[in-house]
Amino acid sequence: QQPVQSPQAVILREGEDAVINCSSSKALYSVHWYRQKHGEAPVFLMILLKGGEQKGHDKISASFNEKKQQSSLYLTASQLSYSGTYFCGTEPHDFGNEKLTFGTGTRLTIIP
Amino acid sequence: DVKVTQSSRYLVKRTGEKVFLECVQDMDHENMFWYRQDPGLGLRLIYFSYDVKMKEKGDIPEGYSVSREKKERFSLILESASTNQTSMYLCASSFHSGGVGLFNGDIQYFGAGTRLSVL
Repeated sequence: QQPVQSPQAVILREGEDAVINCSSSKALYSVHWYRQKHGEAPVFLMILLKGGEQKGHDKISASFNEKKQQSSLYLTASQLSYSGTYFCGTEPHDFGNEKLTFGTGTRLTIIP
Repeated sequence: DVKVTQSSRYLVKRTGEKVFLECVQDMDHENMFWYRQDPGLGLRLIYFSYDVKMKEKGDIPEGYSVSREKKERFSLILESASTNQTSMYLCASSFHSGGVGLFNGDIQYFGAGTRLSVL
């Protein structure tokens, strides 16, 4: 079952902040975040493996609330290069059925 | 740098044709995956393979088959292409990091995709 991402799309001015949410109906082993620019391959951003774990990547960070079965991606002081579609991928805590399942994506547009 | 190469960026085929999409990775990864990407639906898993000659169905395997004769190469086959298989196809590979199960916690590396149009 696909995780649910919100919002579906967001437009920001350069320098503004954004939060992208990813929720699952299943208990999770991990959450992955990817960014895909138009016409390019999805690129791995970060993986969160433990409940409550927060990871950072330049001005992009993420948190994982295992209890709520959700993760959030935080983009601060956004830059033009942050534009693209962000996907979360979730792995269930279900040995033998641990396929990575992706959300439908959040399209982020940064305008000058 | 990990490199996942898909043989074609764009492909146009006719209904009923047999279509082969090829994917090669250069990092000796055990796991390889085929996804299709459609607007509003995200990435959906078609098939995956965790070893040479091993394959498992993903979420949407109908109308597709796969082949993995060598570790570095994973092929997606459309036995008889139909217009509803017009889509972007993405290949990915991952190294088994030793997590629980087959590939828990493994990072997937993607190719740039093949945009297939079936007329």
